[in-house]
Amino acid sequence: ETGVTQTPRHLVMGMTNKKSLKCEQHLGHNAMYWYKQSAKKPLELMFVYNFKEQTENNSVPSRFSPECPNSSHLFLHLHTLQPEDSALYLCASSQDLWVGNQPQHFGDGTRLSIL
Amino acid sequence: GQNIDQPTEMTATEGAIVQINCTYQTSGFNGLFWYQQHAGEAPTFLSYNVLDGLEEKGRFSSFLSRSKGYSYLLLKELQMKDSASYLCAVRDREDSNYQLIWGAGTKLIIKP
Repeated sequence: ETGVTQTPRHLVMGMTNKKSLKCEQHLGHNAMYWYKQSAKKPLELMFVYNFKEQTENNSVPSRFSPECPNSSHLFLHLHTLQPEDSALYLCASSQDLWVGNQPQHFGDGTRLSIL
Repeated sequence: GQNIDQPTEMTATEGAIVQINCTYQTSGFNGLFWYQQHAGEAPTFLSYNVLDGLEEKGRFSSFLSRSKGYSYLLLKELQMKDSASYLCAVRDREDSNYQLIWGAGTKLIIKP
């Protein structure tokens, strides 16, 4: 139990569907992150939120739309995805953005498959 | 540019010792993290180094040399449950948000 919960664990969707990924952290952290993890590749940072405000968007296509209603919850809304978007999507949180030794705490991820 | 290199896969024997290396190139080094990730699970934090030297934590130790852009994770008395991927990540203060730059991970296979 990492304190970061992601749902669903697995998702299969067609390219025209709309779905959302959910992340909730129970650690009282102020910063939350979305990452994409593809096989044998480094984690790709997608979005960063600090105190509910988006601070980073790493040139992510608009078919991925994040939402952070409060410091404990983070969503990733998906629309008209492509087959190359199939990957493990990881949510993470940390106490703050800028404190050097603060680790990020990850959820188990959502395994997304695009048909 | 920013770059992290670590071996793709390593194999070791139960009870033995294994060293996983990580080399990095960043413009503003601000700390190095090691994470463990079992298949289908969340990456979990193992260690943090910001000064040169060895940090020991039970069976796991992590070493850093800032001048060489080099770190290693040392695992002693290997157990079957240590079979996992090990991720190296560097924090770069040149990034506006001090974000982590990640390696692709080293898959460690432990054999009986």
